[in-house]
Amino acid sequence: EIVLTQSPGTLYLSPGERATLSCRATQSIRNNNLVWYQQKPGQAPRLLIYGASTRATDIPDRFSGSVSGTDFTLTINTVEPEDFAVYYCHQHGSFPCTFGQGTDLQIK
Amino acid sequence: EVQLVESGGGLVQPGGSLRLSCAASGFSFSNTWMTWVRQAPGKGLEWVAAISPDGSHKAYVDSVKGRFTISRDNAKESVVLEMSGLRVEDTAMYYCDTTVYWGQGTLVTVSS
Repeated sequence: EIVLTQSPGTLYLSPGERATLSCRATQSIRNNNLVWYQQKPGQAPRLLIYGASTRATDIPDRFSGSVSGTDFTLTINTVEPEDFAVYYCHQHGSFPCTFGQGTDLQIK
Repeated sequence: EVQLVESGGGLVQPGGSLRLSCAASGFSFSNTWMTWVRQAPGKGLEWVAAISPDGSHKAYVDSVKGRFTISRDNAKESVVLEMSGLRVEDTAMYYCDTTVYWGQGTLVTVSS
């Protein structure tokens, strides 16, 4: 099973700052089949990034994803007020599929 | 417009059974892997099960193997999660998803 470890657990930032969220996998992910989701309270997750680095439809370009080996990063260039939420990485390259434990982006 | 609508959740006693359904529309259902993901109250997301487009391949998280069964009907564009031997720790919001698209979830509560 591929374990995904997200860091930090909580990230405190002010609007306008840059957010860097990490997701580290215990082994390589087939075809870089890793996605990033944003989830707000009471809502289903929303797809931000797929294939490690491709923005999903209608996702603002301040969101970007990158990968180096088994280290995946989600960057929010300039955090907007509506970006404060929980972010999850998720690998669907091999079974069982797994999620990271989440990074909670909170207002400083 | 893509829609995934889950139903079938509710309150059930430990050891009981429930049948969750997900009605899909707006995309090529018969060509898409379908997945169930759950989220316990206040906790993170947990992948539960997946089924291949033709239904021939199924996969489960270890904690539900032997208790949950995923199936699909491509003619009706629906996917089902049959749950038996339910435990308190199965209490969660259950989402149907395609990785890209998600439903709004159906709540399962296992309690005596």
